[in-house]
This record gives sequence, C-alpha cells and structure tokens, in this order.
Amino acid sequence: DTEVTQTPKHLVMGMTNKKSLKCEQHMGHRAMYWYKQKAKKPPELMFVYSYEKLSINESVPSRFSPECPNSSLLNLHLHALQPEDSALYLCASSPSGDGYEQYFGPGTRLTVT
Amino acid sequence: QKEVEQNSGPLSVPEGAIASLNCTYSDRVSQSFFWYRQYSGKSPELIMSIYSNGDKEDGRFTAQLNKASQYVSLLIRDSQPSDSATYLCAVNIIGGSNYKLTFGKGTLLTVNP
Repeated sequence: DTEVTQTPKHLVMGMTNKKSLKCEQHMGHRAMYWYKQKAKKPPELMFVYSYEKLSINESVPSRFSPECPNSSLLNLHLHALQPEDSALYLCASSPSGDGYEQYFGPGTRLTVT
Repeated sequence: QKEVEQNSGPLSVPEGAIASLNCTYSDRVSQSFFWYRQYSGKSPELIMSIYSNGDKEDGRFTAQLNKASQYVSLLIRDSQPSDSATYLCAVNIIGGSNYKLTFGKGTLLTVNP
C-alpha cells in the first residue's frame, strides 16, 4: 500500500483566516514533505521532515508553518496568506530522506480570496 | 544551480506507437532518478525509479539511465490514450546532508486514438 492521504481536498480561505492542511501515511515512512504546485509548473519543495525533525525549509514565508506531530502525520498551518499562495499543496512521503522514491498524496487545492 | 532539463513538448504520438521522453541533469553525483506521471488536476504518480546504469523495464514502460552522459529517458511502448498526461523527470540532488527531489518542467504527452 503506497497511500498518502490529505485533507481537505479543497480549501477556500480569506487573507485573514487561519487554516490547516493535514497529511497522513501508514507506510512506516520516516520522511515527509510539503510541496507547492502552480498550474503548468512542476512541484516546488517547501519543507522536509526526516524522523519527525525539520531538515529542510526552502526559505518559505513564515505565514506557512509546518508541524510533524508523529511519524505518520504532517500538518501545514496557514495564516495571513496572499492570493498568490493559491495553488495545489502536495504532501509526499518516502522510506527515509536518503534519496528513495517519494509517494504523493492527492493534494489540497487552496484558493486564497 | 543544479538543474533537470526535459525535452520540450508537447509530444504527440498515435495509439500503439512508442513514446520517448528524455531528461538531462546537471549534478554528477545524483544517484536516484524517477519518472512521475501527472494527469491534469491530479497529483504526481510514481511510475518508474532507476538507480543503476542501463535499462529497467516494467510492463510497457522502460527507463534508461546513463550516468556518464547524465541522461535518463522513459520509453512507453504500445502507447494508449490513457497514457496522455504530463511526465515529470525527477532527480534526487544532494544539498548539504539532505536529498532534494528536483523536477524537470515536464513533458505533455498526447496519445491520439
């Protein structure tokens, strides 16, 4: 089973709202990732958690705040977003952070109004 | 800047033909290479991973890797209309002590019935 789940599937939020995206995997993977993907562009890495510790932050604005409560869960907290933050947010996991294949969840389509 | 380049699309082939997708990468020390398929509005789906020079076959898909030439390709035999999608080449590139999956811009493949 190579399933990564994400909730919600769609999210519309105003610029003053606070919301969270959730990601879950039960494959025993120890690395989890957040990506942002704009239309007709490849995914862009935002954050990497390896063994529940933040190992990579790709200079993401502080209005995006990741959290890894345990090895199966990954959250992305959103606050004071801008319309240009509207995108598909993808979660992925891999057995470890050592270059193995990554499996993506279905994504959350975020619209900021 | 470590890059992944894919042949510019779109690529159009007739049903039953072989589709050939190409990718070059700039980081000589990269060790793991992946092909993802992404249907419009969906998340990337891993279809092939390759770690060693040579060919790797999985059903109608063959991945080819040549590390000396820094080149990886994907062949799709007996192409079907359901293969119509964007194909993303991805390379794990080491940044410090972390691996980052770097994507090419993708090649849009259309298989015509």
